[in-house]
Formats: sequence, structure tokens, C-alpha cells
Amino acid sequence: DIVMTQSPDSLAVSLGERATMNCKSSQSLLYSSNNKNYLAWYQQKPGQPPKLLIYWASTRESGVPDRFSASGSGTDFTLTISGLQAEDVAVYYCQQYYITPRTFGQGTKVEIK
Amino acid sequence: QVQLQQWGAGLLKPSETLSLTCAVYDGSLSDDYWSWIRQPPGKGLEWLGEINHSGSTNYNPSLKSRVTISVDTSKNQFSLRLSSVTAADTAVYYCAREIAYFDLWGRGTLVTVSS
Repeated sequence: DIVMTQSPDSLAVSLGERATMNCKSSQSLLYSSNNKNYLAWYQQKPGQPPKLLIYWASTRESGVPDRFSASGSGTDFTLTISGLQAEDVAVYYCQQYYITPRTFGQGTKVEIK
Repeated sequence: QVQLQQWGAGLLKPSETLSLTCAVYDGSLSDDYWSWIRQPPGKGLEWLGEINHSGSTNYNPSLKSRVTISVDTSKNQFSLRLSSVTAADTAVYYCAREIAYFDLWGRGTLVTVSS
């Protein structure tokens, strides 16, 4: 199985400031034939299912605010929230879809400082 | 707009079989794969397995032979069965559409296993 490790486990950021979190996979998620990274990011608020934010490592899902951005390739990935809003308080998960079983990181909890 | 609606028993005793169904509305099962994912209270997400419209499945080896996912194209539904449940299977179970990544999720069903 591909192990996904997120860091930090939690972070507290002031409103309007930047939140940055990382995701590392135990093997490369870059598929050489199409040069795509098989990684997604999700946001989960309490009592709700996860919501897709980012796919192919850096493509924002339709309707996701542009303060959410993501980057990375191979085994190291980053999700950034530029200008944290109160509604961004949530747990963020990365997930690989390179192979089965699909696996998720343990999550990064974002709170307001 | 495609929606997923899921249902099933929420309280089970140890050794019983969990059974959940997910219906696809305003869309077709014929495209993509359809998955089940669970989340124990206060914990992370675990993918259980997937199925396509023709019944081709992939399962998480961690659950060994306890998981069965099936599809009923006539009803536009897919289902999860998890046998021999224990307290460790207590979780919110989600169905989801998988177009590589999971872009559409059901609202989740809390299943509690308790004697």
C-alpha cells in the first residue's frame, strides 16, 4: 500500500494569514506516460462528508475559492490557503489514486489562532 | 446534478453483517467507478472498495474477505456488505463517485456495532 503522511497534524493560523500543510507519499504518484500526479486534496468540516478541493495535485475543483492552491510532484505535495477565512476551519486530507487500495493521509486540522 | 443517497441499518451486534445501499440520482452508474469509504469516530478515512457498472470490483486487502460490493444497474444502486462486524467496524460509511478521485460523496451513515 502507498502510505500517505501529512504534516503537521494541526495548525493554528490567524484570520487572513497563510496556512500551509504538507503531504508525503511512500512512493511516487507521478505517472510518466501522462506526466500527471495522482493526488487529491479534500476538506472536511464536522458532520459533513469530505469535499474535493484539488485533483491532479494542483487543479482546483470547480467552485473552490482561488485562495486554495496546491503544488508538488512525485512524493511531496503542499496545500496552501492564502488568506485564511473562518469558514476554512476544517480537517484537510490528501489522497492518492495512483493504485489500489486508495489511501488517505491522516489529516491536518486547521484552526483559527 | 448527480446526487448520492445512502441508507442502511445503523446499529448492529457483533458478528452480524453490515448492509448499506447507495442510490445514484440524476445520473448513471454506467460511467466511472463507485466506492465505499469509512471513517471511525474522530479518525481518518479508509477506502473499502469500488465497483463499476459491469460488476468489476477492487477491495482493500486489509478487510480480507469480509467485504462485498455489488451493483444493481436496473435500480441505479450499489451496495456494501461487511460480514462478521466487531466494534472496530463502528464508523460513518460513505458512498462516493470515483472519477479517479472522489468528486461526489453521500452524506454518510453512522453504523454502530455494540452488544
